[in-house]
Amino acid sequence: DGGITQSPKYLFRKEGQNVTLSCEQNLNHDAMYWYRQDPGQGLRLIYYSQIVNDFQKGDIAEGYSVSREKKESFPLTVTSAQKNPTAFYLCASSRQGRSEQYFGPGTRLTVT
Amino acid sequence: DQQVKQNSPSLSVQEGRISILNCDYTNSMFDYFLWYKKYPAEGPTFLISISSIKDKNEDGRFTVFLNKSAKHLSLHIVPSQPGDSAVYFCAASGTSGSRLTFGEGTQLTVNP
Repeated sequence: DGGITQSPKYLFRKEGQNVTLSCEQNLNHDAMYWYRQDPGQGLRLIYYSQIVNDFQKGDIAEGYSVSREKKESFPLTVTSAQKNPTAFYLCASSRQGRSEQYFGPGTRLTVT
Repeated sequence: DQQVKQNSPSLSVQEGRISILNCDYTNSMFDYFLWYKKYPAEGPTFLISISSIKDKNEDGRFTVFLNKSAKHLSLHIVPSQPGDSAVYFCAASGTSGSRLTFGEGTQLTVNP
């Protein structure tokens, strides 16, 4: 079964700790994306990567970092510098040259 | 600057009737538009898309209309079913394969 997996589904952290969210895809897609969703808001782009070893900041990259060492994996680190880290985080991927993005199930991060 | 806007946070319709979800955009460089459906605590699912060279695209019960001069698109669902109850996001991209910009979403409720 091809798809995108995100783990864990729910994550709890104390304020001041860094946390890494996992995203893996076996769709052989070149591009991968990270979004966050807050209540009553749309999806806001954090970072994206169109090829391995390259990534670009999205609209709200401050306080986040990513890596793209493998085509299948695009982990997102939420650092202690992120002022409001509690949110629902979504990972997506797409084929090169295509706008349709396919999403994982999401990770709900709660920081207290 | 909200480049893609969904002005109705919610919409309620009766089962069997038509649901019409609206979306406006401001960026004239957008030339590809998509609709996604999202259930709570899940990732969005791609529904239907339309290129700016068309004004209509149909897939089963779902039809998307694009009015480029008005910078407006709409998603029609007919007949509406209770299982269609979800949040619907419209999204736009500048060129095929480029990043997506999402609207805030519209919560559709279809009453039996």
